[in-house]
Amino acid sequence: EVQLVESGGGLVQPGGSLRVSCAASGFTFSGYEMNWVRQAPGKGLEWVSYVSSGGTTMHYADSVKGRFSISRDNAKNSLYLQMNTLRAEDTAVYYCARRYCSTTGCVNDYWGQGTLVTVSS
Amino acid sequence: EIVLTQSPDFQSVTPKEKVTITCRASQSIGSNLHWYQQKPDQSPKLLIKYASQSFSGVPSRFSGSGSGTDFTLTINSLEAEDAATYYCHQSSSFPYTFGQGTKLEIK
Repeated sequence: EVQLVESGGGLVQPGGSLRVSCAASGFTFSGYEMNWVRQAPGKGLEWVSYVSSGGTTMHYADSVKGRFSISRDNAKNSLYLQMNTLRAEDTAVYYCARRYCSTTGCVNDYWGQGTLVTVSS
Repeated sequence: EIVLTQSPDFQSVTPKEKVTITCRASQSIGSNLHWYQQKPDQSPKLLIKYASQSFSGVPSRFSGSGSGTDFTLTINSLEAEDAATYYCHQSSSFPYTFGQGTKLEIK
């Protein structure tokens, strides 16, 4: 069974830093690309970042570019999102999602339960 | 950036009714359009991938259609457990984007 479990969320002051993690199990983590998606309270879904299966290619939303950094440790079956210079508008539930690719295309098929990051003084 | 516009934003429906939600893309995305269901305090669940393919374990009353810029999610014979917010999502190009969501209320 595919499982993605996020952790590391919490309360942080504006301008502060936080690293959230995603522990994967039930599949060969090193064979899959991964994404982070966030959802502000009462709002819709916003894609944040992507990392290739080997960790060498990354993409970011303009809203986080230069402040957030995605990485992964395939030996530990773990995905990370390092968030620096946090702003109030970064307050959200952060989800990790597995990206499954086939000849048809790619889709985020499984998601974790999310971890809440609150940026407030 | 590809903008996805869903319609309607909100719909109140009765059980056994047929529901149609549309998603329009600002440019052609082929079939790289997926539909998710999100219930309160839960993470999104994949319903339909690549516009029309049902994801594993999804009830047959959910179906999708469309290609290019216009897509539709159909729920036949609505059940009470289908109360949720539904999102379309494109994975054609970065930055990936989502529709604003359609909240479905069961009367």
